Amino acid sequence: DSGVTQTPKHLITATGQRVTLRCSPRSGDLSVYWYQQSLDQGLQFLIQYYNGEERAKGNILERFSAQQFPDLHSELNLSSLELGDSALYFCASSVEVGGPDTQYFGPGTRLTVL
Amino acid sequence: AQSVTQLDSQVPVFEEAPVELRCNYSSSVSVYLFWYVQYPNQGLQLLLKYLSGSTLVKGINGFEAEFNKSQTSFHLRKPSVHISDTAEYFCAVLEEGSQGNLIFGKGTKLSVKP
Repeated sequence: DSGVTQTPKHLITATGQRVTLRCSPRSGDLSVYWYQQSLDQGLQFLIQYYNGEERAKGNILERFSAQQFPDLHSELNLSSLELGDSALYFCASSVEVGGPDTQYFGPGTRLTVL
Repeated sequence: AQSVTQLDSQVPVFEEAPVELRCNYSSSVSVYLFWYVQYPNQGLQLLLKYLSGSTLVKGINGFEAEFNKSQTSFHLRKPSVHISDTAEYFCAVLEEGSQGNLIFGKGTKLSVKP
């Protein structure tokens, strides 16, 4: 158990819908990262927050957004869903930002878009 | 642009045999290197990381990796594998000075047969 929790574990929805994925980092970690794992693209970095502020953006679509709240949990919002958005979405957390701190990964949320 | 190449998508091996999973990277700046393992239906777990110093890094579960700067490689090895090592292994790079987002390879599925 990494200490990072993600809910829900599975999510099945239809095209065009909007969903919210939730992540709670390890106690004491200020940095949260979101990654997408799909069969064709592999593991790709989406976005990073540190203590409530966005710090880095990767290959995140405009239909996707995220935020980190004062209690440090983070939410990833996916809207106008397409079939190709079906993937495993991981959240990871670390203590700092910008250094080689170990990122601890949650168990992931498996999103299926029908 | 930075990239990580895992040369083998699948590696079948018999129990108690040695194994090497290959990883090469490209980057114009200094990097930190990581190997993560993903067991079926689970999140990623850090096996080991190279930050600086000795180029031979020992990790959990008897794994080790060697950083070779001239060949830009970070191959993972284990002298004797167990059935329980069956999993997918990911090599990842963190560029010095970046915000912390990991660049992952496509993964290598290690299948240990009795």
